[in-house]
Amino acid sequence: ETGVTQTPRHLVMGMTNKKSLKCEQHLGHNAMYWYKQSAKKPLELMFVYNFKEQTENNSVPSRFSPECPNSSHLFLHLHTLQPEDSALYLCASSQEVLAGGRYNEQFFGPGTRLTVL
Amino acid sequence: ELKVEQNPLFLSMQEGKNYTIYCNYSTTSDRLYWYRQDPGKSLESLFVLLSNGAVKQEGRLMASLDTKARLSTLHITAAVHDLSATYFCAVDIPGTYKYIFGTGTRLKVLA
Repeated sequence: ETGVTQTPRHLVMGMTNKKSLKCEQHLGHNAMYWYKQSAKKPLELMFVYNFKEQTENNSVPSRFSPECPNSSHLFLHLHTLQPEDSALYLCASSQEVLAGGRYNEQFFGPGTRLTVL
Repeated sequence: ELKVEQNPLFLSMQEGKNYTIYCNYSTTSDRLYWYRQDPGKSLESLFVLLSNGAVKQEGRLMASLDTKARLSTLHITAAVHDLSATYFCAVDIPGTYKYIFGTGTRLKVLA
């Protein structure tokens, strides 16, 4: 596997279900991100982890629970979601280069298309 | 409020024509990123602009950055159908790992 992978690619769940999204990056990066992409809305940053520590939580409802066990893996645990949470969930990673200046280009996974019934 | 605005939101153009997509942002970032997204696919990095006056070109696309005006442009030269996609610009917030994305410009190149 190369780049950033996400599983599952598609997920349909009821409002009472509990499910998890998984992201793995094979790039040796130290930062990982969850984004939500809804129709007709800009890409929304949800969570950021740097070296396994959460550095950003963009006022995300508690029904979304992230987990980052190491710098290569990122999970998004879902429970009691609402239909308006249906969206494409994208994972990304980046590497901050200290020598020669900052450089935070992000590499994105293919996304998980989530439908909440 | 931190904002990144793209203009236009939709663009339909004939093959062979030139056009420019604009990206205005409200924060004091000195780095700007352009991404491409094909329907049903993820985002692919196109350009990273790291300083005022930076210009990058790849094929028929050229991106530039004016940090004083807080403006980036993505210029399309002699468009071809393969360029049809949604283009996003994004800025990062200095000192954080936060990125703010623009609304995207959906480009359709007609044969």
